[in-house]
Amino acid sequence: QLQLLESGPGLVKPSETLSLSCSVSGASISSSYYYWGWIRQPPNKGLEWVGSIYYSGSTYYNPSLKSRVSISVDQSKNQFFLRLNSVTAADTAVYFCARQGRIFQEGFYYWGQGTLVAVSS
Amino acid sequence: QSVLTQPRSVSGSPGQSVTISCTGTSSDVGGYDYVSWYQHHPGKAPKLIIYDVSKRPSGVPDRFSGSKSGNTASLTISGLQAEDEADYYCCSYAGAYILYVFGTWTKVTVL
Repeated sequence: QLQLLESGPGLVKPSETLSLSCSVSGASISSSYYYWGWIRQPPNKGLEWVGSIYYSGSTYYNPSLKSRVSISVDQSKNQFFLRLNSVTAADTAVYFCARQGRIFQEGFYYWGQGTLVAVSS
Repeated sequence: QSVLTQPRSVSGSPGQSVTISCTGTSSDVGGYDYVSWYQHHPGKAPKLIIYDVSKRPSGVPDRFSGSKSGNTASLTISGLQAEDEADYYCCSYAGAYILYVFGTWTKVTVL
């Protein structure tokens, strides 16, 4: 059974960089043809797509975050990563990683439980 | 940055049916047959229950069904059960620039 687990600091200072990892078990990122994504949920708000990466490394970002976000993959570790720089309080959210389908537009098939990241000094 | 509009809450008694609407525009819901729905019990991982407007992933009960008319997609839960009480989100592909948009969530309450 595919499982995803987010990890990273729970507290980040304003103007610094948020860095999260998503560890994938039950499947190999490198031997599949899936997209892998990040979605976030600010407190008491809805979900927001952050960005996605294809197993080969092609990336796709939410235009509203594009100037600050970077997603990468390490196939040898079966992990993919999110970096969001110049964070503000508005970036406080639960961050989820997810596996999409083999077709980018199909949605998010499997999700991690999420990790809360607070931006505060 | 939720763009798709959903009702804040819907409720029903066990065994009844409830329908959640998801209204977008011709640039997202109306423009593509790529609407997905997610069930989220707070504190747990969200679960995909509908993709491509009306397809159900393996293991999702057929009590869950999806449809679309124009710029509005709908999720219907038939034979409501206690475990269906959760938050539900719609999501749509929105073209090569925006890519993905989510809806505001709908809380389903089983009375």
